Amino acid sequence: NAGVTQTPKFQVLKTGQSMTLQCAQDMNHEYMSWYRQDPGMGLRLIHYSVGAGITDQGEVPNGYNVSRSTTEDFPLRLLSAAPSQTSVYFCASSYSRTLNYGYTFGSGTRLTVV
Amino acid sequence: AQRVTQPEKLLSVFKGAPVELKCNYSYSGSPELFWYVQYSRQRLQLLLRHISRESIKGFTADLNKGETSFHLKKPFAQEEDSAMYYCALSLLYFYGGSQGNLIFGKGTKLSVKP
Repeated sequence: NAGVTQTPKFQVLKTGQSMTLQCAQDMNHEYMSWYRQDPGMGLRLIHYSVGAGITDQGEVPNGYNVSRSTTEDFPLRLLSAAPSQTSVYFCASSYSRTLNYGYTFGSGTRLTVV
Repeated sequence: AQRVTQPEKLLSVFKGAPVELKCNYSYSGSPELFWYVQYSRQRLQLLLRHISRESIKGFTADLNKGETSFHLKKPFAQEEDSAMYYCALSLLYFYGGSQGNLIFGKGTKLSVKP
């Protein structure tokens, strides 16, 4: 049982490049989310999904796309990287529809855009 | 709008002193509240859920709906408690079920000095 797995752990991009941050969970969780963590800002929700084929925007969705073709995977795509997207990105998933157990988080992807 | 406020960015105490990390929320519906802890450069880990009324690592938190607060307390701080602490709110629909995401405060960094 690997939990929530994020790849890569570190990435450096040039401005304008695109890339996909991978997230996979093996717990058959319905709910999955992407957060970014910035100093002094806490965690801000980018996109989330309540099940395969269903996604919705969070607080800071601009510049990011997501899809949820399977229950297990929830990739986050940066369309055209900007320095403002330098951040630590966390993927998380939840078992319970009422989030009684909160979210299980991945180990994060540290992204630098130069 | 739903909001989680953690008024202290940094809280510094000596080992053995009591600790209280404050969390206030703004939500007119039925809240589910959580405390997460993040040790240096690690993933976020669930510390407490208000629904379970449990004590983890000596920490407790009580939901006060009148004051819309969910403060985290520990009677005697230990050096290993030094970490970032995040309070988080889950939004429930009136019929049950969740919107599927957590709203986080900006976090409080707890530093326990020897």
